[in-house]
Amino acid sequence: EAGVAQSPRYKIIEKRQSVAFWCNPISGHATLYWYQQILGQGPKLLIQFQNNGVVDDSQLPKDRFSAERLKGVDSTLKIQPAKLEDSAVYLCASSLGTSGRATDTQYFGPGTRLTVL
Amino acid sequence: SQKIEQNSEALNIQEGKTATLTCNYTNYSPAYLQWYRQDPGRGPVFLLLIRENEKEKRKERLKVTFDTTLKQSLFHITASQPADSATYLCALVSDYKLSFGAGTTVTVRA
Repeated sequence: EAGVAQSPRYKIIEKRQSVAFWCNPISGHATLYWYQQILGQGPKLLIQFQNNGVVDDSQLPKDRFSAERLKGVDSTLKIQPAKLEDSAVYLCASSLGTSGRATDTQYFGPGTRLTVL
Repeated sequence: SQKIEQNSEALNIQEGKTATLTCNYTNYSPAYLQWYRQDPGRGPVFLLLIRENEKEKRKERLKVTFDTTLKQSLFHITASQPADSATYLCALVSDYKLSFGAGTTVTVRA
């Protein structure tokens, strides 16, 4: 079974530039999550989708971050404009359940390491 | 405010010994607690889930305890091996959301 795919793996940009990350979840997984992991910290949930609807985006800085999951499969996360403090690893995860419950096992991708200069 | 605290110091142990990691939390009422393993450059991998009404859970050489009175979970790796070297994250399930601690890095010396 193929895992969660993410691209790019690494990205370096200047502050105030835009950047987009892509995630392809495990086939058949209804729920998709984006996390931000700053160096030395645990992952922090940014947004959770169930199929193509948003379940939770309470911790997404909506003035600069946006995410979409068209057709309930792939997802993109965008930052515009980027700030220095956005430097982090952005992790995508998916889970099988349609209930949106966090008790469903989440499978994580390798992440995209973003450096903002 | 809500906090999840794991051993702040990295753990260095000899192969064959037991590693014990601590996860303490405040201002959460988790129904479940999970433990993940994260290797450098990779995403976390799920290891174990324990429910609030379970005291202990085992999986091969791993054992987790959950004490809702102490607001603490302990994670044990018995008969540790160099391949167990990684960062271990605890995560609380509360309000249908997963919240992670910062993790404890374990290094097992051969």
